[in-house]
Amino acid sequence: GDSVTQMEGPVTLSEEAFLTINCTYTATGYPSLFWYVQYPGEGLQLLLKATKADDKGSNKGFEATYRKETTSFHLEKGSVQVSDSAVYFCALSGRSGNTPLVFGKGTRLSVIA
Amino acid sequence: EADIYQTPRYLVIGTGKKITLECSQTMGHDKMYWYQQDPGMELHLIHYSYGVNSTEKGDLSSESTVSRIRTEHFPLTLESARPSHTSQYLCASTGLPNEKLFFGSGTQLSVL
Repeated sequence: GDSVTQMEGPVTLSEEAFLTINCTYTATGYPSLFWYVQYPGEGLQLLLKATKADDKGSNKGFEATYRKETTSFHLEKGSVQVSDSAVYFCALSGRSGNTPLVFGKGTRLSVIA
Repeated sequence: EADIYQTPRYLVIGTGKKITLECSQTMGHDKMYWYQQDPGMELHLIHYSYGVNSTEKGDLSSESTVSRIRTEHFPLTLESARPSHTSQYLCASTGLPNEKLFFGSGTQLSVL
């Protein structure tokens, strides 16, 4: 079945450091890919998404490119801030959209000033 | 932005009690989901629904039930709470295939 593997945390960075959180997937066909973020004490919210190969999703300085050849969707940000401290989830949706999202296990990011 | 609501926000209850966690959304979404989130943050799908009178079991459903009598309402019931049920429970909904999920703020359940 479909699955998502993302790097384990926690990840601790200093403010203004470069961030990469790796995500790879296994799926039949051509899934849509997502990154969700969960701030402390809140539910998840969509950070960005890409629906086809070579698409780049971006939001709030974060970017991720849908790489079909490497089945990857790594999350990057050039300069993190303390306010980016959260848990990040990679997820995929099967092409039909009729099955629940498959989530990775989450990566906790802590940014220190 | 999200119009999806969960109550209660926090609940402390004794072993053996029956409890219902409420989830409502005002967006007219057909698809709704319940997730259990463990302390390590991993999400486990408990139940989901694709419309009124339609419910499906997820990976972690054996000790709970759901109903979908109205589009906007998707309550989760634990018939007999146990300490192993202590967790955060998240409700989510979406309207279209491959569109984003809207999550509620969660219910933090503690079973003593």
